[in-house]
Amino acid sequence: SQTIHQWPATLVQPVGSPLSLECTVEGTSNPNLYWYRQAAGRGLQLLFYSIGIDQISSEVPQNLSASRPQDRQFILSSKKLLLSDSGFYLCAGFLGARGGGYTFGSGTRLTVV
Amino acid sequence: GENVEQHPSTLSVQEGDSAVIKCTYSDSASNYFPWYKQELGKGPQLIIDIRSNVGEKKDQRIAVTLNKTAKHFSLHITETQPEDSAVYFCAASKGSNYQLIWGAGTKLIIKP
Repeated sequence: SQTIHQWPATLVQPVGSPLSLECTVEGTSNPNLYWYRQAAGRGLQLLFYSIGIDQISSEVPQNLSASRPQDRQFILSSKKLLLSDSGFYLCAGFLGARGGGYTFGSGTRLTVV
Repeated sequence: GENVEQHPSTLSVQEGDSAVIKCTYSDSASNYFPWYKQELGKGPQLIIDIRSNVGEKKDQRIAVTLNKTAKHFSLHITETQPEDSAVYFCAASKGSNYQLIWGAGTKLIIKP
C-alpha cells in the first residue's frame, strides 16, 4: 500500500512571501498525484494533478504552481502568497483500480497573515 | 462534465440510530463511487466504494447503495457511535485515470 507524506503540518506565512509544500509517496511507483485545497468547513477543490514526472495539469487559475521533479515527489509553490491562499492543503495519490482509491496525506494548514 | 451533489450538508443523529447521506451524479458514464471520511485536521480516508456493476456493498456497519437508473448513491451507517462524527465526502469518476469529482461534504454529528 502507498503512504503519502506531507510537511509541514502547520505553516503561518506573511502576505507576499514564497511558499513551498512538499509531498512524497512511499510504497509505490508512478502514481497519479493531486494537490487539493480545502477552505474551512468546505469541500475539496482540485488545484493540480500529475500523471508523471514533469506532467502537470492545472485545474484552477491561481497564484500557485506545481512541479513533479521526481516520480514520488510533488511540490506546490507560490512566489508571492495572498491572503486568499489560506486553507488546508492536501496531497493525494492514486494507484489505479487495484489501489483502493485515493490515499491522502495528513494535510498542511496554511495561514497567510 | 460530471457534477456531484451531496445532501444534507449537516446531519445530526442520536447515538445508536442510523444515518443516511445521499449523492447524485450527472454523467451516466461514471462507474466508480467512493466514500471518504474526514476527521478534524486530517486528510480524508476511504471507507467504502462501489463500482457500477454492483448495486450494494456492505462492510460491517457501513453500506453503500447505487441506483444507476436514477444516478444516485447513498451511504448508510447503522448503530452510529461517537467516533462516526466527521465530514463525509462522496465522489464519482469514469475512465482509466479515475479523476474524482467530489460532493461538497456532509458534516455528521452523533449526539450522545
